[in-house]
Amino acid sequence: AQTVTQSQPEMSVQEAETVTLSCTYDTSESDYYLFWYKQPPSRQMILVIRQEAYKQQNATENRFSVNFQKAAKSFSLKISDSQLGDAAMYFCAYRSPTNFGNEKLTFGTGTRLTIIP
Amino acid sequence: EPEVTQTPSHQVTQMGQEVILRCVPISNHLYFYWYRQILGQKVEFLVSFYNNEISEKSEIFDDQFSVERPDGSNFTLKIRSTKLEDSAMYFCASTTGAKNIQYFGAGTRLSVL
Repeated sequence: AQTVTQSQPEMSVQEAETVTLSCTYDTSESDYYLFWYKQPPSRQMILVIRQEAYKQQNATENRFSVNFQKAAKSFSLKISDSQLGDAAMYFCAYRSPTNFGNEKLTFGTGTRLTIIP
Repeated sequence: EPEVTQTPSHQVTQMGQEVILRCVPISNHLYFYWYRQILGQKVEFLVSFYNNEISEKSEIFDDQFSVERPDGSNFTLKIRSTKLEDSAMYFCASTTGAKNIQYFGAGTRLSVL
């Protein structure tokens, strides 16, 4: 079974600075998908970014980017120019490869990010 | 932008009562999920549903739980006899399958007293 580990329960960053959230995972599969989801105080889970394991290029979405190290099974999220609205719980998630879409997400325990004005 | 809708946002029930949590997935999505998040803990998979049947379920999803898609738009999670430990946030998610992105609803907070 796959496992996802987030070793930083809490992180804080000054507004406008850069912060990196860590995630490692364990799998025997060679192809898979990795995600970062954001959960603000409203509790809704919002997709931040996605990475396909077969792609060597790191995914980027505006101020959010990942550092995907397949051999190390590491998938960190970098948030540049942090904004107050980035304050949330961030979950790393793993999904097995499938052509059918019915594979579950396996989540890490989350990192609570605080933005300091 | 289309979104997954969950009702109610908060459900309070007495232990032993039946509850039904409702979800309206995004209209062209084919795969549906329920996840649970006990306060302060990680999000856990409960069940996936495709083509009117369960495709996978976790060990949490015991005989007290059931899911159905009664009318082609709603996707429901029923807990037959609630326990105190069922208190949690329940999230519905859906996907087309092709892009592998699961879109989540805002969740239903279930409080069992």
